[in-house]
Amino acid sequence: QQPVQSPQAVILREGEDAVINCSSSKALYSVHWYRQKHGEAPVFLMILLKGGEQKGHDKISASFNEKKQQSSLYLTASQLSYSGTYFCGTASRYYGGATNKLIFGTGTLLAVQP
Amino acid sequence: DGGITQSPKYLFRKEGQNVTLSCEQNLNHDAMYWYRQDPGQGLRLIYYSQIVNDFQKGDIAEGYSVSREKKESFPLTVTSAQKNPTAFYLCASSIASGIDNQPQHFGDGTRLSIL
Repeated sequence: QQPVQSPQAVILREGEDAVINCSSSKALYSVHWYRQKHGEAPVFLMILLKGGEQKGHDKISASFNEKKQQSSLYLTASQLSYSGTYFCGTASRYYGGATNKLIFGTGTLLAVQP
Repeated sequence: DGGITQSPKYLFRKEGQNVTLSCEQNLNHDAMYWYRQDPGQGLRLIYYSQIVNDFQKGDIAEGYSVSREKKESFPLTVTSAQKNPTAFYLCASSIASGIDNQPQHFGDGTRLSIL
């Protein structure tokens, strides 16, 4: 079942912060985050493997709450280059026998304005 | 530079016609994937392959077929049985399936439309 992302869309001014959530009805083993600009390929941001894990990448970080079956992506002091659609991809260890098989969320459109 | 090449960038299909989308990677990745993306929606898995000469259906395989005769190539055929083929198709690869900390690398996509 497809993970649900919230919010569906968010508009920010440069320098503002945002949080994007990804929730699954299935038990999760790992969560991947990607950003896609319009008409382009998705670009990998980070993977979280363990419950409670947090990772950071420049001013973009994420957390993974295994018990709540959800992950959150944090964008701080947003820049114009952060604009795009953010997708989470979730993997459940026994899903189809291939743990690298991802189910992608519905996406969150982020627009950063000057 | 290593990467994934998808061709063509734009493709038009006539009624009743089969079309094939190309995906080639020189990353020496074992696993390859095909996704379909509809406007405003996420990526849905069509087929994936973990090793040469083996592939599995994803969530929306009906109307599509694939082959994996070479490690670097994973072409997708959209058959006439796929009644609503208009979408953005993305090919991806990863080092190996079954290894959870490996990201997927995507090609630039093929946009398919019906004439």
